[in-house]
Amino acid sequence: QVQLVESGGGLVKPGGSLRLSCAASGFTFSDYYMSWIRQAPGKGLEWVSYISSSSTYTNYADSVKGRFTISRDNAKKSLYLQMNSLRAEDTAVYYCARDVNSFDYWGQGTLVTVSS
Amino acid sequence: QSALTQPASVSGSPGQSITISCTGTSSDVGSYNLVSWYQQHPGKAPKLMIYEGSKRPSGVSNRFSGSKSGNTASLTISGLQAEDEADYYCCSYAGTGTFRLFGGGTKLTVL
Repeated sequence: QVQLVESGGGLVKPGGSLRLSCAASGFTFSDYYMSWIRQAPGKGLEWVSYISSSSTYTNYADSVKGRFTISRDNAKKSLYLQMNSLRAEDTAVYYCARDVNSFDYWGQGTLVTVSS
Repeated sequence: QSALTQPASVSGSPGQSITISCTGTSSDVGSYNLVSWYQQHPGKAPKLMIYEGSKRPSGVSNRFSGSKSGNTASLTISGLQAEDEADYYCCSYAGTGTFRLFGGGTKLTVL
């Protein structure tokens, strides 16, 4: 069965960096686009970034453009999100999701807290 | 671009039907048949309920249906059950710039 497992969240100071990972299994990872979506505590969902199956295309929400970088390693069946220059407003649960013009499978999420 | 507009809350009694609206613009909901709906229970990851406006993934009850008229998409849940109580989010493709927009979410209460 399809499984997505995020890791790498934690507490980081403003201005710091963090790298999230998402390990995929149960499907041919290299065939699918993938996205990161986040949810601030008590708030709604916000799409963050997507990457095409072969990494040719990426896109970012304006709120993270220039600070976050999405990448993937198809051999390792893994998706990544490098987050730099973190701000308090980046505090959220970060989900990875399989992207088929909708998000049909989601991970359980990893919490990122940006605080001094 | 702003988030899609959803009512903050809706409620209904068991067995009734409810509809949640999702209003966008001619640049997103109105231009593409790529609206999806997600159900999220507290502390859980969202679950895809409707994709491409009106299609149901395998395993999703046929009590859930989706539609669109102009710039507004809708999710209808018929025969409300206690387990339907959750937050619901719409999402639309919004072109190569903005790419994806979510609605603010709607809390469904089953009375």
